[in-house]
Amino acid sequence: SQQGEEDPQALSIQEGENATMNCSYKTSINNLQWYRQNSGRGLVHLILIRSNEREKHSGRLRVTLDTSKKSSSLLITASRAADTASYFCATVDRDTGRRALTFGSGTRLQVQP
Amino acid sequence: KAGVTQTPRYLIKTRGQQVTLSCSPISGHRSVSWYQQTPGQGLQFLFEYFSETQRNKGNFPGRFSGRQFSNSRSEMNVSTLELGDSALYLCASTSSYNEQFFGPGTRLTVL
Repeated sequence: SQQGEEDPQALSIQEGENATMNCSYKTSINNLQWYRQNSGRGLVHLILIRSNEREKHSGRLRVTLDTSKKSSSLLITASRAADTASYFCATVDRDTGRRALTFGSGTRLQVQP
Repeated sequence: KAGVTQTPRYLIKTRGQQVTLSCSPISGHRSVSWYQQTPGQGLQFLFEYFSETQRNKGNFPGRFSGRQFSNSRSEMNVSTLELGDSALYLCASTSSYNEQFFGPGTRLTVL
């Protein structure tokens, strides 16, 4: 079952613009990870943010985490056509002790050149 | 370091057959997890292996099984294939920082 929802489900922007994707989840978590997937291929790990962190940066990526609202956002700045992909958030449930990732439904990002 | 590798990349089977998929984790990673991705259900956790022991299991029927070898390589097996088993099967290995890195996946088509 899906942990939560991602918003929007699809996003189309022009190259150079910023893209923001949001993720909501349901349980208490140890960490939240963001992944990119190109056209049904494998998932590429983008960034991990721990439950005691509020913001993290990696290159053009900025991730925020609000555990009180059970939500996270991924910001891609100065987008490029190569950023076109589906983006997923995934969480590890703190209470079950399992390492299993529970994924959101994903956001399909289209960056127009 | 080499990434996670999965073989085969594509597979076509018919209903009732069985299939075995293979995954080699990143060197030094001892935990291997398997996920199924379908358009209808999205990404779902199958099971996790650590040091040759199944540590966690998702909500899949017993037709789905797996194992892990002493070199951390893992296999998953699906018996008595059904049409609904057509999916992308992804393997992930977990770092000491709990990041899960995925392989390219095996695309299984059941006819």
